[in-house]
Amino acid sequence: DQQVKQNSPSLSVQEGRISILNCDYTNSMFDYFLWYKKYPAEGPTFLISISSIKDKNEDGRFTVFLNKSAKHLSLHIVPSQPGDSAVYFCAARETSGSRLTFGEGTQLTVNP
Amino acid sequence: ETGVTQSPTHLIKTRGQQVTLRCSSQSGHNTVSWYQQALGQGPQFIFQYYREEENGRGNFPPRFSGLQFPNYSSELNVNALELDDSALYLCASSLRAVSSGNTIYFGEGSWLTVV
Repeated sequence: DQQVKQNSPSLSVQEGRISILNCDYTNSMFDYFLWYKKYPAEGPTFLISISSIKDKNEDGRFTVFLNKSAKHLSLHIVPSQPGDSAVYFCAARETSGSRLTFGEGTQLTVNP
Repeated sequence: ETGVTQSPTHLIKTRGQQVTLRCSSQSGHNTVSWYQQALGQGPQFIFQYYREEENGRGNFPPRFSGLQFPNYSSELNVNALELDDSALYLCASSLRAVSSGNTIYFGEGSWLTVV
């Protein structure tokens, strides 16, 4: 049972344009959502998070939107840069602890 | 730099052998979690340790075991290795009382290849 799903395995955008990465979840007990970025041969690096009491969180070029009724969240990167090329993982956490449930990841490629 | 260090970074083992992976958590973090990331997949939760006790386990068989030490460093042990155990093993440290901030940090992982 895949509780967190990223349906797009890959996404390619032009430098300067917007990148939108999507994530869906099924577990209503998830109350906190995170996006991680991962380069090859490195561990995931925290990017941005959002609590279930909010619908938007912004940090520089990165914005995460949460639609609780649809159990959907998205990560917007504006403007996209070639250095943003990496695998992006959506993760979710239940109220009770720090265990994370990850999606399968989306490979973002930003072309110069 | 997350302050979470793992060793070894790469290793090759033979099917049936045993392996021990090590993790030093970020200073002040008393919770360590281990994840397995197979190629092309997202990390899968193995188990978590809080103050030297196992505190949650994912869908992994008992041949996956762990330890956490008084200094909060941790080991992951896998017995009777199988080919499907080939993966990146990630350690993550966090505060037990997880706030809404960015409090979970991953190490760079240990790449295990079972042949």
